[in-house]
Parts: sequence; C-alpha cells; structure tokens
Amino acid sequence: SQTIHQWPATLVQPVGSPLSLECTVEGTSNPNLYWYRQAAGRGLQLLFYSVGIGQISSEVPQNLSASRPQDRQFILSSKKLLLSDSGFYLCAWSVRRLRFEQYFGPGTRLTVT
Amino acid sequence: SQELEQSPQSLIVQEGKNLTINCTSSKTLYGLYWYKQKYGEGLIFLMMLQKGGEEKSHEKITAKLDEKKQQSSLHITASQPSHAGIYLCGADIPGGYNKLIFGAGTRLAVHP
Repeated sequence: SQTIHQWPATLVQPVGSPLSLECTVEGTSNPNLYWYRQAAGRGLQLLFYSVGIGQISSEVPQNLSASRPQDRQFILSSKKLLLSDSGFYLCAWSVRRLRFEQYFGPGTRLTVT
Repeated sequence: SQELEQSPQSLIVQEGKNLTINCTSSKTLYGLYWYKQKYGEGLIFLMMLQKGGEEKSHEKITAKLDEKKQQSSLHITASQPSHAGIYLCGADIPGGYNKLIFGAGTRLAVHP
C-alpha cells in the first residue's frame, strides 16, 4: 500500500532563516506531487506541483521554492523566511492521470517568529 | 478563475442529528472531491463525484453532485462525535495534472 511521509511535524523558525521541508512517498511510481499551504481558518492553497523529476510548476509567486530530486521525494525550501510563511504545509500525491483523488501527508506546522 | 464556496462555515450539532454541508462552484465541476481533516492533521479522502446527479455513500456519509454540476452536498446521518472535524470540498482545475482548488472548509462539532 502507498504511504506518504512529511517531516518535520512542527517547526519554529526565526524570520530570515532558511527552510527545508521534506515529503516522500512509498508504494507508487511516477506520482504527481503537490505542496499546499493552509493558513489558519482558510482552505488549502496549491503552491507547487510536479509531474516528474526536476519538473516543478509554481502556482503563486512567493518566497518559497520546490524541488524534486528523486521520483518520490518532494522538497519545499526557502532561503529567507517571512512571517507570512507561517502555516500548515501539506504534501500530496496522485496517480498520474486525469481526475484521480489526491492523498495527503500528515502535514508540517511552521511558525515563523 | 474558479472558486468554491462552502456553507456553513461552522456547524454544531447534537449527537444523532442529521446535517448537510454544501459546496458551490462558480464554474462547472468536472471532478468534485470531499475530504475530512482532523485539526492539525492531513486530509482524509472521502469521496469523488464526476457525473451530474451522481450520489455516493460511505457508512453514514452521502455526497451528491447536482445535475448542473455546480453544487455538491455532503449529508451525514445520525451524527457521532467521530464525525467531528473540518470537511473540505475540492475541485479539478481544467488543464490536467490533477490540480485541485479547495473551499475554505466547514468545521463540524458533534456534542454527545
């Protein structure tokens, strides 16, 4: 069966510090991968998606970047965090075809102080 | 751009009562997904609807997509404390790659 892992679970970082969040998927090959951010009391906002190694599409201009160094690994990064980067970050995967449900990881709660 | 509006924003019900959550789209829906989220956790996939008039059930939860494919409802029968959480609807963004947009969510509390 497929599983998706995210770490760390929680993170408190000062403004201006770098960020690296990792997501890995097991039990599937060639998945679509996604990063979402959920701000307090709001829905999910799609940040990045990837259809293959090294292929990243950004949905919104921001202080963050994403990379996919391996088929089942997706990394969210920042060189300098802003207060507005605080939120709950969720990674998800789906089978690579149209209209298939996405499966989500447990999330990382990031607080920028 | 497409937007999803969920109502109500929050709901408090007594255990055993029925309830309905609505999700309305500004454009035709080609794939509508319902998820449940416990606070501080990831999303759990509940159901996916694609065809106008389609209805699916899982245990005591039933989801419907209207004939015009612009509105979906999630109905819980005889609610239990285990149903508490945030319910989110998501919709396919045309253009492929399974990109989804989400509503803001409905926070459900079930009191024993």
